[in-house]
Amino acid sequence: DQQVKQNSPSLSVQEGRISILNCDYTNSMFDYFLWYKKYPAEGPTFLISISSIKDKNEDGRFTVFLNKSAKHLSLHIVPSQPGDSAVYFCAASARRGSTLGRLYFGRGTQLTVWP
Amino acid sequence: NAGVTQTPKFQVLKTGQSMTLQCAQDMNHNSMYWYRQDPGMGLRLIYYSASEGTTDKGEVPNGYNVSRLNKREFSLRLESAAPSQTSVYFCASILHGLNEQFFGPGTRLTVL
Repeated sequence: DQQVKQNSPSLSVQEGRISILNCDYTNSMFDYFLWYKKYPAEGPTFLISISSIKDKNEDGRFTVFLNKSAKHLSLHIVPSQPGDSAVYFCAASARRGSTLGRLYFGRGTQLTVWP
Repeated sequence: NAGVTQTPKFQVLKTGQSMTLQCAQDMNHNSMYWYRQDPGMGLRLIYYSASEGTTDKGEVPNGYNVSRLNKREFSLRLESAAPSQTSVYFCASILHGLNEQFFGPGTRLTVL
């Protein structure tokens, strides 16, 4: 049973506009959330993260929002650029307990930013 | 500082053949992980090693074995390859206490 879900396999956005990627989780033990970006033929690279004690974290053009009551997080990219075209994976972790360090990944969303 | 390295980059096997995928990290990380990525399935954990000398099963361990040779190296072995194991395999590592896993470039495996 998938504990982290990305229900949109793909998203297409015009350059300069906002991209919003969504992620839902089911396990209430998750307290740390990450977004990874993956280009073809490369490994995933860490993009941004958020702890459950926060509801927002910003890093340049990237902002992650967390709604704990809804078990939902989103990644906002503003403004979107063609170089942002990649697969984005949402991941979650329960930092306490025996699975410390283990990440649970969603299935990914392919973002395409067109000129 | 090479980060996480994986060998080989590509491999083609026939059904029933065996092979070992190698992974090494030079960041003094404690925990290491093996994932497979299939179209539409995201990243699924095969095995992980929380620390040197320990290994645990992930979501999809059947058909695989692992060895945590030392702190740097974590290998994944396919004893008798099957077409269902055609996938891209990623190794990752993490420093204890943090959550941002670092990934290698992947091994693309095709089993005919």
